[in-house]
Amino acid sequence: KNEVEQSPQNLTAQEGEFITINCSYSVGISALHWLQQHPGGGIVSLFMLSSGKKKHGRLIATINIQEKHSSLHITASHPRDSAVYICAVDRSWGKLQFGAGTQVVVTP
Amino acid sequence: GAGVSQSPRYKVAKRGQDVALRCDPISGHVSLFWYQQALGQGPEFLTYFQNEAQLDKSGLPSDRFFAERPEGSVSTLKIQRTQQEDSAVYLCASSSPRRQTANYEQYFGPGTRLTVT
Repeated sequence: KNEVEQSPQNLTAQEGEFITINCSYSVGISALHWLQQHPGGGIVSLFMLSSGKKKHGRLIATINIQEKHSSLHITASHPRDSAVYICAVDRSWGKLQFGAGTQVVVTP
Repeated sequence: GAGVSQSPRYKVAKRGQDVALRCDPISGHVSLFWYQQALGQGPEFLTYFQNEAQLDKSGLPSDRFFAERPEGSVSTLKIQRTQQEDSAVYLCASSSPRRQTANYEQYFGPGTRLTVT
């Protein structure tokens, strides 16, 4: 069983809809990262958080350390948000352990 | 161009050939990570450097894989006698302008897509 589980695996939304991606982990962590990967492979860091909530534009990330759960929300989704979103946990010194990713498609 | 760069972007190798993949991290970044991403899967850790020291190589899948960072900047991942199962995207990331390496954002390169035929 993967120690970092994401759900759903795939998600299709209409432009403007609110999107939620979930990440659960079963190990101790120092931080959790949300990453975005576009076709062609480039990975961009969206958030790094170890408690509470962070917001950047239409993106919101939350983490509950006690529940070992994090969520990534996209408000007012847009076709340019179509990408793979990956949750990764930092066990201690930057060595990341990744979830399998969530493929998001936003249709006009 | 202050980002992480990798070369080549694409590499086709015949089974049994040796390949060398290069990573140029962000200048001044102490930590450098190599990851392997198979098609349709999340990346998996291969190895980690702090400056020139390779502190963790637990993710290297076999002794055919070797990584170095001799001067603490550019790193090379070498795969000897490539096999079909080595086909993947190899990602490099750098982080942390200081020695403490936990809890710093990682900056990823574009990856090298290796196809072994």
